[in-house]
This record gives sequence, C-alpha cells and structure tokens, in this order.
Amino acid sequence: NAGVTQTPKFRILKIGQSMTLQCTQDMNHNYMYWYRQDPGMGLKLIYYSVGAGITDKGEVPNGYNVSRSTTEDFPLRLELAAPSQTSVYFCASSPDRSNQPQHFGDGTRLSIL
Amino acid sequence: EDKVVQSPLSLVVHEGDTVTLNCSYEVTNFRSLLWYKQEKKAPTFLFMLTSSGIEKKSGRLSSILDKKELSSILNITATQTGDSAIYLCAVGYYGGSQGNLIFGKGTKLSVKP
Repeated sequence: NAGVTQTPKFRILKIGQSMTLQCTQDMNHNYMYWYRQDPGMGLKLIYYSVGAGITDKGEVPNGYNVSRSTTEDFPLRLELAAPSQTSVYFCASSPDRSNQPQHFGDGTRLSIL
Repeated sequence: EDKVVQSPLSLVVHEGDTVTLNCSYEVTNFRSLLWYKQEKKAPTFLFMLTSSGIEKKSGRLSSILDKKELSSILNITATQTGDSAIYLCAVGYYGGSQGNLIFGKGTKLSVKP
C-alpha cells in the first residue's frame, strides 16, 4: 500500500520557469491537500479539494494552481516561479469522514534560483 | 485570527529524560487536536484528541487535551535518540472543508546519547 506519493523529490527551478508537482494517493480518499513548509514554520495550506472536480483556496494560494480530475491525483502547478516559493511541499489526503487524520507524502523540496 | 502555538520551539535532552511538549490554540469551531511526528520526510500521525481529560497513550508517548485551558500536552518518557524529530500540533475545525487543519510551528526535539 503506497499511500500518498509525490514526485519529484527534489527540483531546482530558475526564476520565471513553471512546473507541476505531482501527487497521487491509492487510499480512495476524497479529501486532498497541498501544504508548504518553510524552515522554522508550520505547514501552510495552499489549496485543498473535497472531491474530483472540486478545489478551493487555502491560506497561501497566490502563485499556485491546482486541478482534480480524478480521485487519485491532485497536481500543484507553479506558474512564473519566484524565490519566495522556495520551500518543501507536502501533499496529504484524508477520508470523507470528519475526525480522521491526514496522511502525508514524503514531500518535494523545491529551490528557485 | 485562528492560531496554534507550540512551546518550546526547540528542546535538547539526554536519553532517558522525560519531556513535555505544549500546544495551545485559539481556533473558532474547534473540532479536534492532532499530534504528528516529523523526522526527515513526511509528518506521521501520532494522536487525535477530541474529548477533554481523556489520555491517549502509545508506548512511551501520551497526550491529553484540556478544552477549558485550550491546550494539549504531549509527554515522552524514557526518551531515546530515535525520538529526535519535529513534533507538530494541528487543530481541526468545523466549517469549510472538514479536513482542514491549522498547524503550529512545531517543537524540535533533540535527544542526545
């Protein structure tokens, strides 16, 4: 059981480039989330989705976009990368029911130079 | 503004010591409080607390919620070097997506041999 899988694990981008961080889960969870974690800070919610075709903004959505065409996949798109987007990105998922913990992927470490 | 505050932010102890990590919160429509352990990669789930005064225990780790004081503690007894990690506290709330969490900045625990 793979759980939540993120790719790539590391990436270096130049300012202004774009890329997509991939996230897939095999637990049939409807809820999926994207967080960023900066050094010494907690996780900040970027976007979340409550099911295929439904997405909404979190606390720090600027500079990012998401889509949710299937239950399994929840890619995060960075357009026009900026140094402020240097961070570790985590994808997570949880079941439909409330009061269930989120399960996290191993993260993508992204540097914008 | 909703917030979750953890203390201390970092802690160094020796093997065999007992540690207590603190989490306080100011969150509208509180639903649950969760503890995660983060080593080098993904946060891994430890406990979810919803009821005040009921201790949850797993091996040398235990946690309890005090809804009157809006806080929780995570205790680790007989610490081992493998307990070295960042411990994250997160609070879930009703409204919006029922899976949404607000994270604290974490407590970095270092256990010396």
